Amino acid sequence: GNSVTQMEGPVTLSEEAFLTINCTYTATGYPSLFWYVQYPGEGLQLLLKATKADDKGSNKGFEATYRKETTSFHLEKGSVQVSDSAVYFCALSLYQAGTALIFGKGTTLSVSS
Amino acid sequence: SAVISQKPSRDICQRGTSLTIQCQVDSQVTMMFWYRQQPGQSLTLIATANQGSEATYESGFVIDKFPISRPNLTFSTLTVSNMSPEDSSIYLCSVLSTGRSEQYFGPGTRLTVT
Repeated sequence: GNSVTQMEGPVTLSEEAFLTINCTYTATGYPSLFWYVQYPGEGLQLLLKATKADDKGSNKGFEATYRKETTSFHLEKGSVQVSDSAVYFCALSLYQAGTALIFGKGTTLSVSS
Repeated sequence: SAVISQKPSRDICQRGTSLTIQCQVDSQVTMMFWYRQQPGQSLTLIATANQGSEATYESGFVIDKFPISRPNLTFSTLTVSNMSPEDSSIYLCSVLSTGRSEQYFGPGTRLTVT
């Protein structure tokens, strides 16, 4: 079946530290891949996306590269800020499967100053 | 991106009652979905709301418990019927526009069942 696996949290970092959140997927076709972010008390926001192999999605200093050979879509940021504290969800969608999103369990990031 | 609103934003309901959640989009969209986010958990798809026809439900979700309507391309409702405390969750609608790959989410409805 189709699924997404994220690294377990919480992740606790100091401001300006480097961030990596691992995400791997299993899919029967060629998925589109997404990172969504949920800030405390807020709704779910699209952070970035990639729709085919080797695509790099980027937004707000975050980046993720669609790696078909390792079925991964790891989220990275070179220097995190306190305002990046949130829950991050990796997700995939498959046109063949009706395009609904399949989410990972989410990773909580806490950044301290 | 589409602007999506949900009503109510939150509610506290007694067990055995029903609540209808509304999702309104400011533009016509191809697809609308309903998800559930249980406390501290990830999002799970409940169903795809199909315009003019019955919704398509995921395994573990049934129409009698979660009836869905989608009368046009900008509006959908989800009803949580005969509620129990296990239904306490955030319910979110999302939309997908023609030619796009990404979904956008409404702000969610936080439901507490006592």
